[in-house]
Amino acid sequence: QSVLTQPPSVSGAPGQRVTISCTGSSSNIGAGYDVHWYQQLPGAAPKLLIFGNSNRPSGVPDRFSGSRSGTSASLAISGLQAEDETDYYCQSYDSSLSGAVFGGGTKLTVL
Amino acid sequence: QVQLVQSGAEVKKPGASVKVSCRTSGYIFTSHFMHWVRQAPGQGHDWMGIINLSDGTTSYAQKFQGRVTMTRDTSTSTVYMELSSLRSEDTAIYYCARDGPDTVKSDNWFDPWGQGTLVTVSS
Repeated sequence: QSVLTQPPSVSGAPGQRVTISCTGSSSNIGAGYDVHWYQQLPGAAPKLLIFGNSNRPSGVPDRFSGSRSGTSASLAISGLQAEDETDYYCQSYDSSLSGAVFGGGTKLTVL
Repeated sequence: QVQLVQSGAEVKKPGASVKVSCRTSGYIFTSHFMHWVRQAPGQGHDWMGIINLSDGTTSYAQKFQGRVTMTRDTSTSTVYMELSSLRSEDTAIYYCARDGPDTVKSDNWFDPWGQGTLVTVSS
């Protein structure tokens, strides 16, 4: 079981907006630790999508945005495109485990 | 550009050890820490540990304590992860991933990642 909880799947039509949640606890997200998001295409390594809760690396479209509140974080994808259909993971730090923790991943389907 | 290039796929028998390498380029080797993360087939990511590339100090996830060893070779800008006493459940893709720029922060992001090394444990 992953320390951070994500929905196994979300879906949306092209052009729509979807959000993916990432729920933690008082020893990770709730403690104020940053949340980061990764996109992982099939057969590829994860790629950084959002860092420090809401910052986009250069080259990542502004259709992707992130936020954090309390013990949860969210990734929002607006203007859905077919190429967005893949897996997304959240990551943070856990003080009880003294290490990085990940969500179990969410598969995005573009209908 | 920053690149992390890992060694090739491995097939090991239960009880054996495996050593995966991660050769870095495009940045100052000792300026960032390095993580190792694994992903079992169809599963999420499992953080294994982190190594300070300046002095070689390490911190391992409790799950892997006693079985994992992370080292580095500053002359070749290469990081290594060795996992011993392999069992079938260790079959996974193993990734090295560079820590964020602030070595004081514990909640850094991982960027970039190596391409991954498939380790298969089978009798």
